[in-house]
Amino acid sequence: ETGVTQTPRHLVMGMTNKKSLKCEQHLGHNAMYWYKQSAKKPLELMFVYNFKEQTENNSVPSRFSPECPNSSHLFLHLHTLQPEDSALYLCASSPVQAGLAGESGELFFGEGSRLTVL
Amino acid sequence: ILNVEQSPQSLHVQEGDSTNFTCSFPSSNFYALHWYRWETAKSPEALFVMTLNGDEKKKGRISATLNTKEGYSYLYIKGSQPEDSATYLCAFDAAGNKLTFGGGTRVLVKP
Repeated sequence: ETGVTQTPRHLVMGMTNKKSLKCEQHLGHNAMYWYKQSAKKPLELMFVYNFKEQTENNSVPSRFSPECPNSSHLFLHLHTLQPEDSALYLCASSPVQAGLAGESGELFFGEGSRLTVL
Repeated sequence: ILNVEQSPQSLHVQEGDSTNFTCSFPSSNFYALHWYRWETAKSPEALFVMTLNGDEKKKGRISATLNTKEGYSYLYIKGSQPEDSATYLCAFDAAGNKLTFGGGTRVLVKP
């Protein structure tokens, strides 16, 4: 059983829709991440949060808007997406704060939200 | 842009055989090298986090080695079983838990 839960697992939306992806972790971690996997491409880091504060935006278009209200929850708000945004979006958490010199801890992933933009 | 390459992209292994595959990464600004196993319709799960040059780690029939000076890591599966079928991802950490992933090696173990 994963300690990181993502909802919904599948989402189909039109380009003019507004939707949100949700991630929840009950592992007591303070670092949370959004990753994107497009077809036949490696996992790509999108956003990083430490203690609810965003510490990384990996040049992600503004049509993706993250929100981290507390250390257990992470959202990805989606609006006016393009068909090329169709991908698997993975959330992860870590017991190690991102960006801390000399520290590297394993990531705990959710099962992902499969997004299709029509 | 960090370049993390995995080879081969896919391989088929007969049950009982052993196999290995490679992850190459930059040899500078090294923090750690992670390995994950990703089974279909499940979440990626960490196998190893390796930090020291020459490090070797083992979990059951799976083991990994690390050479940070030349920028490569090997993952070994001994006596492959069908349940080992998965995509194996390596990830390079150059900035404190901000990982750059390789494209993965997809392993299919045939009974």
